Amino acid sequence: EPEVTQTPSHQVTQMGQEVILRCVPISNHLYFYWYRQILGQKVEFLVSFYNNEISEKSEIFDDQFSVERPDGSNFTLKIRSTKLEDSAMYFCAGAQNPNQPQHFGDGTRLSIL
Amino acid sequence: GENVEQHPSTLSVQEGDSAVIKCTYSDSASNYFPWYKQELGKRPQLIIDIRSNVGEKKDQRIAVTLNKTAKHFSLHITETQPEDSAVYFCAASQLIGNTGKLIFGQGTTLQVKP
Repeated sequence: EPEVTQTPSHQVTQMGQEVILRCVPISNHLYFYWYRQILGQKVEFLVSFYNNEISEKSEIFDDQFSVERPDGSNFTLKIRSTKLEDSAMYFCAGAQNPNQPQHFGDGTRLSIL
Repeated sequence: GENVEQHPSTLSVQEGDSAVIKCTYSDSASNYFPWYKQELGKRPQLIIDIRSNVGEKKDQRIAVTLNKTAKHFSLHITETQPEDSAVYFCAASQLIGNTGKLIFGQGTTLQVKP
């Protein structure tokens, strides 16, 4: 069964540095999402992406965040200047359309020092 | 916006017993309700989902019920096994004419004691 692949599995970064989290969605998926989960808390929606555009974003997704799908396969989340509170597990998810279940990747654990 | 509340936060049952987890949602426009199981350090995995045009759905030992009027839905696991131990998240979404973003509940840690 095809899977959503995320890299790296763990990223440790100094506060103020830029990070890029990468996701390779399932090939027939067209709708893409980023979620985050702070340790011990619930999964929170960050942003949805379709047809090379952001379709919706949450309050968490401020100007420090950006997403893109530059080559038609990788789907990336960039945090421009990381803060301590950005430490969390970041999950990429995808779906064929909004009417179908979302499939999650294994996540990237981001640790900001 | 949508808000999903989930109870209980922790649930401990003996192997073979049933477990019930309940969620309420606030937005009557929500029409899709998936349940995800998350084992420690792993991805959330979809275990069952229900759409608002049905009241109940069953898949072997797992069932979900939906009460649209009361805006709540529940996960039922029968004949629990130790491998059912995990964190379970409910979520709500609007499918048609929306991006399909999932709004999650706070999660329930289920422990099944052998």
